[in-house]
Amino acid sequence: SQQGEEDPQALSIQEGENATMNCSYKTSINNLQWYRQNSGRGLVHLILIRSNEREKHSGRLRVTLDTSKKSSSLLITASRAADTASYFCATGGGTALIFGKGTTLSVSS
Amino acid sequence: DVKVTQSSRYLVKRTGEKVFLECVQDMDHENMFWYRQDPGLGLRLIYFSYDVKMKEKGDIPEGYSVSREKKERFSLILESASTNQTSMYLCASTPAPGQGIYGYTFGSGTRLTVV
Repeated sequence: SQQGEEDPQALSIQEGENATMNCSYKTSINNLQWYRQNSGRGLVHLILIRSNEREKHSGRLRVTLDTSKKSSSLLITASRAADTASYFCATGGGTALIFGKGTTLSVSS
Repeated sequence: DVKVTQSSRYLVKRTGEKVFLECVQDMDHENMFWYRQDPGLGLRLIYFSYDVKMKEKGDIPEGYSVSREKKERFSLILESASTNQTSMYLCASTPAPGQGIYGYTFGSGTRLTVV
């Protein structure tokens, strides 16, 4: 059962630019999480935002959550080549996290 | 450095073989999960476990079974491997309660090819 859907599927930017990825989901949640996956590797947890929070920051990451629209966005500021990866949103509140299909971000120098 | 370790990065098996994928975590987490990842389909939950000897089916359990005899180890078993089980398998763990409340720690993944 796929819950989160990321948009866009792929994003290409230059170093120094900001990258914005969006996630929409269908049912009620108690939190939403973002993960990064470098090519061929496991996922790394980036940030968790609870359903009663609207915005959260961690370093160059900014996450927003709009529960009325059932959507979230992940903003990476001042992107670097090392940010090149796939990014997944995951929704929590049921028995286990449900992941979206991901956004592939390419940052060129 | 806490971690989840999957025993193999790459594995090639023949159709019909019984395949064991091992996952070990050193964080004393109660909850462990097996996902498979396929292009265009994202991550799909196969099985999870909230405690020793306890298991729950995920979204796609057919053709798989699991074993959790010790808290730190969660094994995924392909009873009779088939080519449609060629995939990337990801193990994850999280502390209790496991209802998606905490972030997951993932292993590096096992890329299984069934020929």
